[in-house]
Amino acid sequence: DGGITQSPKYLFRKEGQNVTLSCEQNLNHDAMYWYRQDPGQGLRLIYYSQIVNDFQKGDIAEGYSVSREKKESFPLTVTSAQKNPTAFYLCASSIAPGQYGGYTFGSGTRLTVV
Amino acid sequence: GENVEQHPSTLSVQEGDSAVIKCTYSDSASNYFPWYKQELGKRPQLIIDIRSNVGEKKDQRIAVTLNKTAKHFSLHITETQPEDSAVYFCAASIDKLVFGAGTILRVKS
Repeated sequence: DGGITQSPKYLFRKEGQNVTLSCEQNLNHDAMYWYRQDPGQGLRLIYYSQIVNDFQKGDIAEGYSVSREKKESFPLTVTSAQKNPTAFYLCASSIAPGQYGGYTFGSGTRLTVV
Repeated sequence: GENVEQHPSTLSVQEGDSAVIKCTYSDSASNYFPWYKQELGKRPQLIIDIRSNVGEKKDQRIAVTLNKTAKHFSLHITETQPEDSAVYFCAASIDKLVFGAGTILRVKS
């Protein structure tokens, strides 16, 4: 997946359950991002991290949590507080925040509430 | 914060015709403007980008123009082909990308 791997590809969550989406990159990128994509909408930023052990909320952080203990990894937890979690989740990374060259995206995780 | 608006939401063109997608942004400090193509169920792929110190950039059948004064930028695809059918997203960035809502492009053969 071009150096950034998301797993699993499909994930099913029961009501009241927390689930964690994995994102790993071997590109030596400093910055990592989580976006949510709903049908007919663009990509909305959930959380981002510019360096290890630091992260910031994006536009729709409520009901989500993240950690950045290693440069290569940026897992996203969808908590039971997120009332409408069914969506396509995309992880991305970039060399550094604000640097030209765009993002490299993972192949995404499709989360469905059952 | 930054807000990016994208038009049209859907665009149908005949094969061989040109397609134009337009975006406006709100934060004059934004300095990087990429365009992504996303096929159904797949990840977005960068197709072209432009920096704020450049007015136009071209790569084969794809071009992007930027008007900093008006805070808008556009994607131009010439000689469209069926494989150009996809969703296209514009974005603007200072330290993180803010995306437009996307344009569904359908190229009819």
